[in-house]
Amino acid sequence: GAGVSQTPSNKVTEKGKYVELRCDPISGHTALYWYRQSLGQGPEFLIYFQGTGAADDSGLPNDRFFAVRPEGSVSTLKIQRTERGDSAVYLCASSLYVQNIQYFGAGTRLSVL
Amino acid sequence: AQTVTQSQPEMSVQEAETVTLSCTYDTSESNYYLFWYKQPPSRQMILVIRQEAYKQQNATENRFSVNFQKAAKSFSLKISDSQLGDTAMYFCAFMITQGGSEKLVFGKGMKLTVNP
Repeated sequence: GAGVSQTPSNKVTEKGKYVELRCDPISGHTALYWYRQSLGQGPEFLIYFQGTGAADDSGLPNDRFFAVRPEGSVSTLKIQRTERGDSAVYLCASSLYVQNIQYFGAGTRLSVL
Repeated sequence: AQTVTQSQPEMSVQEAETVTLSCTYDTSESNYYLFWYKQPPSRQMILVIRQEAYKQQNATENRFSVNFQKAAKSFSLKISDSQLGDTAMYFCAFMITQGGSEKLVFGKGMKLTVNP
C-alpha cells in the first residue's frame, strides 16, 4: 500500500477484555515496529520485527502484551485482560532495513473503560 | 540510560517568522541517527529531517534545518518562513542501530503553534 495502515482507528473496550490491533506496513518493508503513546508523552517502543521474528521485544510492559507477524507483512498486537492504564494511542511503523527511516501509521486509539 | 529531553513544552510564532526548537539527548553510543518528527492532530508521525551522527554537516530539508552539536549532545530544529501548516507537535528522537535493534527513543514533544 501507499502508507502504513492501522485498524481500527479507535477501539473502546471494557476492563478485562481482549483486544487485537492490526498493522499493515508499506509493501516491501521488512522491519515493523510498535510504539505506545500515552497522553502528553512521546511514543515509547514496544517491539520490533525483522521479517517474521521479533528481534527486540524489550519494550513490552508485561505478559499481557503479545505481537505476531506470521508472514512477515501484517502484524497484530494483542492485549489480554485489558486495564485502564492500557489506554493510549498505539502506533505502528515500518522501514526498509538499510534505510533507518521509520514511516508511521495514524495509530489506534485504545480506550479501556 | 538513553534519553531525549525537549525542555520547551510549547511555543508560538507568527507566520513567516523563524523558530528554533531545542533538543538534547544522552547516549554512550558513537553511531546513531537523530530525527525530528511532526505529529499533527491526525496522529500520524511525519518525518521532518534526519541527521547521521557521523556526519558533521548539518542536515537541511527546504525550510527545515538542524544545528547538530555532537559534543554537547544537542540537536535543534530551525523552521524558516513558518507556515500555518507547521502547527503540530514536534518530537525529537534518536536511534541506535547496534545490537540488532533499531528502536526510536523519543522526547516528550513540543507543541508549536503558527499564528496568522
